[in-house]
Amino acid sequence: ETGVTQSPTHLIKTRGQQVTLRCSSQSGHNTVSWYQQALGQGPQFIFQYYREEENGRGNFPPRFSGLQFPNYSSELNVNALELDDSALYLCASSLRDRISQGNIQYFGAGTRLSVL
Amino acid sequence: LAKTTQPISMDSYEGQEVNITCSHNNIATNDYITWYQQFPSQGPRFIIQGYKTKVTNEVASLFIPADRKSSTLSLPRVSLSDTAVYYCLVGDRSTPLVFGKGTRLSVIA
Repeated sequence: ETGVTQSPTHLIKTRGQQVTLRCSSQSGHNTVSWYQQALGQGPQFIFQYYREEENGRGNFPPRFSGLQFPNYSSELNVNALELDDSALYLCASSLRDRISQGNIQYFGAGTRLSVL
Repeated sequence: LAKTTQPISMDSYEGQEVNITCSHNNIATNDYITWYQQFPSQGPRFIIQGYKTKVTNEVASLFIPADRKSSTLSLPRVSLSDTAVYYCLVGDRSTPLVFGKGTRLSVIA
């Protein structure tokens, strides 16, 4: 149990629609990262938020956007859904401070998105 | 970002020790080596992290040679529940996690 919760667990959308996925970070963590995992592949980094600001982005188009709230929970928004957006979306939280060294992230169970 | 190379798959019998080696030739001075475990339809779970020499916790050991260009995750006496995908990653505290395809470990009774 990582203390990171994601909702919903499953979602079905049609092409062209918009979707919002939610993540509640582990208590005390100030950084949240989002990943997309296609079947049979490793998770791919979408972006990271640190203290409510985007702090790094992977190779994903602008229709993937996010927010981090003052309580460090987060949302991932995807506009104009495409069939290839079908995947497991993972949220991970971590603590970045003066003494943290390696980047240990704690993952939620993910949201399974199916685009038809 | 340092890239890692690890075997695609491994098989082991229950009760055996399993060693998964990861190559990271371009590791940077500030990089740490971290291993995650992932079961189907779940998020990756942190197993162990190290910088050099040897690290041991209640789940696994991590061996890192002096040149740090490789590392070995050691799982003692595996059981069927250790069947999973294992990922090796390198990076510092600000580096996004870059996952490869990992090593699919199958434990056989």
